[in-house]
Amino acid sequence: QKEVEQNSGPLSVPEGAIASLNCTYSDRGSQSFFWYRQYSGKSPELIMFIYSNGDKEDGRFTAQLNKASQYVSLLIRDSQPSDSATYLCAVNNEGDTGFQKLVFGTGTRLLVSP
Amino acid sequence: EPEVTQTPSHQVTQMGQEVILRCVPISNHLYFYWYRQILGQKVEFLVSFYNNEISEKSEIFDDQFSVERPDGSNFTLKIRSTKLEDSAMYFCASLGSTEAFFGQGTRLTVV
Repeated sequence: QKEVEQNSGPLSVPEGAIASLNCTYSDRGSQSFFWYRQYSGKSPELIMFIYSNGDKEDGRFTAQLNKASQYVSLLIRDSQPSDSATYLCAVNNEGDTGFQKLVFGTGTRLLVSP
Repeated sequence: EPEVTQTPSHQVTQMGQEVILRCVPISNHLYFYWYRQILGQKVEFLVSFYNNEISEKSEIFDDQFSVERPDGSNFTLKIRSTKLEDSAMYFCASLGSTEAFFGQGTRLTVV
């Protein structure tokens, strides 16, 4: 069973701080990794994706990937109250039939206090 | 910006009834998916669809579920005889070469 693990939180940070969200995955063959933000009652919204080891930056967001450790993280700099949401880590795997699908973690709830 | 469109946004149905959830994926994408999220739980994979056929399905996707793409545009999920435990948000997604996008979801409530 291919698993994606996240701490459910909540992770509480003050406004302006850096929020660090972590995710581990079990399938070493995983090809690409996605971070989604989900507000309560809404659909997942893609924040960014990463394929290669190292860091990828997009505005206030930085994704970090370490395939050797099977670990992917998301850093949010200058956190804002509007960043309060559940952050879903998703791993794109080849399924049993060789096609691709996303496997999601349970999500980490982030609370940014003013 | 291209988007995945789902209808209806909310569906209430009686137990045992059939429902059809509709999705219009992004036109140049190759893989289409249905996911389900029961309130307070994780997003769960139901089924993937590629080249006009099911490519993979989960254990959840039993005989009461079916998918089709009848006209090359719409992508539908049919639940034949709904149960109370089918109440959830159902998300359609399409996967391009690099990114996966989700529709806004259909909230299905079975009473």
